[in-house]
Amino acid sequence: GENVEQHPSTLSVQEGDSAVIKCTYSDSASNYFPWYKQELGKRPQLIIDIRSNVGEKKDQRIAVTLNKTAKHFSLHITETQPEDSAVYFCAAIPLGYSTLTFGKGTMLLVSP
Amino acid sequence: GAVVSQHPSWVICKSGTSVKIECRSLDFQATTMFWYRQFPKQSLMLMATSNEGSKATYEQGVEKDKFLINHASLTLSTLTVTSAHPEDSSFYICSASDSGVFGETQYFGPGTRLLVL
Repeated sequence: GENVEQHPSTLSVQEGDSAVIKCTYSDSASNYFPWYKQELGKRPQLIIDIRSNVGEKKDQRIAVTLNKTAKHFSLHITETQPEDSAVYFCAAIPLGYSTLTFGKGTMLLVSP
Repeated sequence: GAVVSQHPSWVICKSGTSVKIECRSLDFQATTMFWYRQFPKQSLMLMATSNEGSKATYEQGVEKDKFLINHASLTLSTLTVTSAHPEDSSFYICSASDSGVFGETQYFGPGTRLLVL
């Protein structure tokens, strides 16, 4: 089955800096890669996703890149703000499957 | 769109009792619903996948007789924790997807925090 590794487990940045979270996946058949943000005690919320036919996708301060050859994808947050502080999860799903495999999460702390 | 509700938001119960958690998709028909369990500072662990009108598919290590799942309609799935014990205390989150409009995208409910005394 699919295995998703996520790094780093914790990330501390100063407000205004950029933050990058990286994930690798094992199943070359995976074709959908969402990123979720989870604030303490709340539900995971989809913030951006990318499909395997696209190399990069951007939504305001958030971008995701995908390297299918290397089987890794990354989340980039620019101009970080304290409200970006949360746990971020990457996930992957192979074509024809319905279940997501999640990474272990990255706790992002943005200091004012 | 894509709103998923969950009820109750928290529950405290005595050891040995059963607890039912409801998951509803409010503005779309969920062909598939998922139940996750999340321990503090850990990732989401998939417990089971349920499709409307059919039996749930449980992940390895999840006792299907202990965690009963019913997906009676396209907008409602329930998880019943039977004979709950303190080790079942956790944050239970459901998600729902629509294989049509949203494809593989899963939208999560707000979660149910269960404390078994």
